[in-house]
Amino acid sequence: EPEVTQTPSHQVTQMGQEVILRCVPISNHLYFYWYRQILGQKVEFLVSFYNNEISEKSEIFDDQFSVERPDGSNFTLKIRSTKLEDSAMYFCASSAQGGSNQPQHFGDGTRLSIL
Amino acid sequence: QKEVEQNSGPLSVPEGAIASLNCTYSDRGSQSFFWYRQYSGKSPELIMFIYSNGDKEDGRFTAQLNKASQYVSLLIRDSQPSDSATYLCAVNSRFTGGGNKLTFGTGTQLKVEL
Repeated sequence: EPEVTQTPSHQVTQMGQEVILRCVPISNHLYFYWYRQILGQKVEFLVSFYNNEISEKSEIFDDQFSVERPDGSNFTLKIRSTKLEDSAMYFCASSAQGGSNQPQHFGDGTRLSIL
Repeated sequence: QKEVEQNSGPLSVPEGAIASLNCTYSDRGSQSFFWYRQYSGKSPELIMFIYSNGDKEDGRFTAQLNKASQYVSLLIRDSQPSDSATYLCAVNSRFTGGGNKLTFGTGTQLKVEL
């Protein structure tokens, strides 16, 4: 069964450093998303991406965050200058279409630890 | 602020029993409702979704939706120890620019006991 893959599974970074989280969405999917989950808290929406543009972003997704689809398969989340509070699990998700009944399939996540 | 509320549990049921998980949401414009299962330290795994009032069955799982009451539930029949996990209710909000945002509840921890 096709799946969303994320790398690395765990990233440890010093505060203030840049980090890039990588995702390969399911191959025929058109909509891509990033979510995060701070330990013990809810899964929170960060951003959605379609047709090489951000279609929506949350208040969490400030100027320190950016997303990119550098080629036909990868979808990346960059945090420019990491803060301690960026420590969380980051999940990439994709859906085939943008309709309201389209399920989003999640990758296994990247655990980001900021020291 | 659009909210999704779930009882955090834990909900304990004996093996073979029916587990009933509930969720309420605040945004009347929500169109679709998703149930995900999350094992500790793992990613959300889609179980099923529903967008019409009534019941939707898939194997041992039944989702129920009542838009008038802004209530969605998940029933798990013949509960197994492997069903022990946190169950996340997620509600869709559609963007005008295309795509969707899922708003998640805190999840209900289910424990199926032998």
